[in-house]
Amino acid sequence: DTEVTQTPKHLVMGMTNKKSLKCEQHMGHRAMYWYKQKAKKPPELMFVYSYEKLSINESVPSRFSPECPNSSLLNLHLHALQPEDSALYLCASSQMLRGNEQFFGPGTRLTVL
Amino acid sequence: GEDVEQSLFLSVREGDSSVINCTYTDSSSTYLYWYKQEPGAGLQLLTYIFSNMDMKQDQRLTVLLNKKDKHLSLRIADTQTGDSAIYFCAELTGGGNKLTFGTGTQLKVEL
Repeated sequence: DTEVTQTPKHLVMGMTNKKSLKCEQHMGHRAMYWYKQKAKKPPELMFVYSYEKLSINESVPSRFSPECPNSSLLNLHLHALQPEDSALYLCASSQMLRGNEQFFGPGTRLTVL
Repeated sequence: GEDVEQSLFLSVREGDSSVINCTYTDSSSTYLYWYKQEPGAGLQLLTYIFSNMDMKQDQRLTVLLNKKDKHLSLRIADTQTGDSAIYFCAELTGGGNKLTFGTGTQLKVEL
């Protein structure tokens, strides 16, 4: 298995909803990442987990809450989002931090109404 | 901070070569990458180059690196319609923990 999977593919939520994005990889990678990508823009790093511990938080608002329950899974919990949070949310994984290539999932297209 | 710069748009005819350019920011970047993104999809890693190399060839793809000018390029030989996509260069920064992406180049291949 050489891919990163993400669910759901599409998500529409209201500003008062609580939802979660899920990411899974079975490549034995020990670093996992969340990125946010607005239309026609490059991906922007949000969080990095290394060996299931949060390694980098790029000053992301607390309405986004990451969780790494085990080495294969990465979640992003969403609560009280704003319409400007609508974007493509990409998960990636790499063997480890520091110089290993990152492999991306197909993304979750999030719309906040 | 500074952006990793790419030209916005490139149009080529099928069968021609495409050259996508990138100017990166961190002279201490150890790895530089090229990713491809088709509409509505995630990013596909195409190739990468280590900073002590000048050139890397991988089938139809050739990467050139000029460290002095912090310039990276991706040449696609015999460009096909399936190569139409957005291409992002990326540099490894933050002590090797962060991937910073370029602004992206939309490649359009015409028949």
